[in-house]
Amino acid sequence: EDKVVQSPLSLVVHEGDTVTLNCSYEVTNFRSLLWYKQEKKAPTFLFMLTSSGIEKKSGRLSSILDKKELSSILNITATQTGDSAIYLCALRGSSNTGKLIFGQGTTLQVKP
Amino acid sequence: DTEVTQTPKHLVMGMTNKKSLKCEQHMGHRAMYWYKQKAKKPPELMFVYSYEKLSINESVPSRFSPECPNSSLLNLHLHALQPEDSALYLCASSQDRTVSNQPQHFGDGTRLSIL
Repeated sequence: EDKVVQSPLSLVVHEGDTVTLNCSYEVTNFRSLLWYKQEKKAPTFLFMLTSSGIEKKSGRLSSILDKKELSSILNITATQTGDSAIYLCALRGSSNTGKLIFGQGTTLQVKP
Repeated sequence: DTEVTQTPKHLVMGMTNKKSLKCEQHMGHRAMYWYKQKAKKPPELMFVYSYEKLSINESVPSRFSPECPNSSLLNLHLHALQPEDSALYLCASSQDRTVSNQPQHFGDGTRLSIL
């Protein structure tokens, strides 16, 4: 059964710190891994990692896929209070039905 | 603002009421999804529509009835809900459910409370 586990579940840092969020997965047939940021409403798409695209970067955020270790990390440098949110890691299921399997999420709080 | 629009944003209903949630996207996506998200939990898939046909029902109780009138619209009809159905209901869309390298884009959700 496909599975996604995120760590830590929660994290408190101060502005300017660098954080690393972890996502590990078990999957029969890897298709893609996605990162979303969720504040109070919609999960907002951040990155998609595939076998042909294992590293993505956008501004202060970056993500890497390690297919050998079955894991991914999301890095945020020079954190700001606006980065406070729940970060969700999701896996495209092996059955290729479009289903996303989400991890529990990491709640990040950035203090001024 | 997201490109997937959901209405209403909030809904309070009694257990005997009938109501509908609506979702609309104009990105030309052919796959649309309903998710349910309880507090402090990740979204859980309920239904998948592909090219306006229901392709996945994740064993959702019949008091939830999805409908896809056309490629841009997705409805979720609610009837005789229970208090435990109170949650955030998220709609999402993607280019095609079988295309692995296209993400799903979510709407802001409808926060549903059952009295």
